[in-house]
Amino acid sequence: GESVGLHLPTLSVQEGDNSIINCAYSNSASDYFIWYKQESGKGPQFIIDIRSNMDKRQGQRVTVLLNKTVKHLSLQIAATQPGDSAVYFCAEKMSRRKAAGNKLTFGGGTRVLVKP
Amino acid sequence: GAGVSQSPSNKVTEKGKDVELRCDPISGHTALYWYRQSLGQGLEFLIYFQGNSAPDKSGLPSDRFSAERTGGSVSTLTIQRTQQEDSAVYLCASSLDYTDTDTQYFGPGTRLTVL
Repeated sequence: GESVGLHLPTLSVQEGDNSIINCAYSNSASDYFIWYKQESGKGPQFIIDIRSNMDKRQGQRVTVLLNKTVKHLSLQIAATQPGDSAVYFCAEKMSRRKAAGNKLTFGGGTRVLVKP
Repeated sequence: GAGVSQSPSNKVTEKGKDVELRCDPISGHTALYWYRQSLGQGLEFLIYFQGNSAPDKSGLPSDRFSAERTGGSVSTLTIQRTQQEDSAVYLCASSLDYTDTDTQYFGPGTRLTVL
C-alpha cells in the first residue's frame, strides 16, 4: 500500500541527526498508542508502542514519549539513517473494558526524508 | 513465518462494477481488520472480525461495502457498484487479540482504482 502522498507534513533530517515526530491524538480515553512506519508500496510496520500508564518507552534507536495532559505523542529516532525515510503514523485505541474490539484510530502521518 | 498477504495487489475497475479483495491473515491470529487509506487522508477503520463473534462493521462507509471471514481465516472485502471515491489502498491487518496490546500486523494492501 502506498503511503498517503499529498499534503503530508514533511520532516527533512540530515543523516546521523536525531528526528522527532509529533502526534496529537484525539481521544482522552485511549489507553494504548502505537507508532507505525510505512514505506512506499508497503503496509504499515509496527515500530514501538506505549500504554497510557507510562510516559516514556525506549526501543532500539527509537523512543516514544506520551503526554496525556495535552494528548501528545512523539517518536524520537536517534542517528537517523536513510532506511528511516518513510511515512510515520501514530495510532491510538481504547482497552476492551472501555470499547469493544481493538480497532485503531490513526493520525494523519508525517513524511520523514533523510538527506545523505 | 509468513505475514499477512493480500490479493490482488492492484485492481482497476470501472465505475459501477463490483470488486472483491482478499486477505490471508497470519496463521493463528484470531482477529482480522480492514482499513482504507485514501490519498490526502490517513488510515480509516472499516471492519473488525474477532473469532466467532459478530463483526464490528461500524467503519463501513456505506451499504455497498461488506466483508466476510470464512472459517475464521481468509477474509473477503466486497464493494458493490464501485464509485470513484472508493479509489484507495485497502489494508488488512491481523492480530492474536488476546490482550489489549496485541500488535496488528498489516499486509501490503490492495490498490483499488475506479475509473
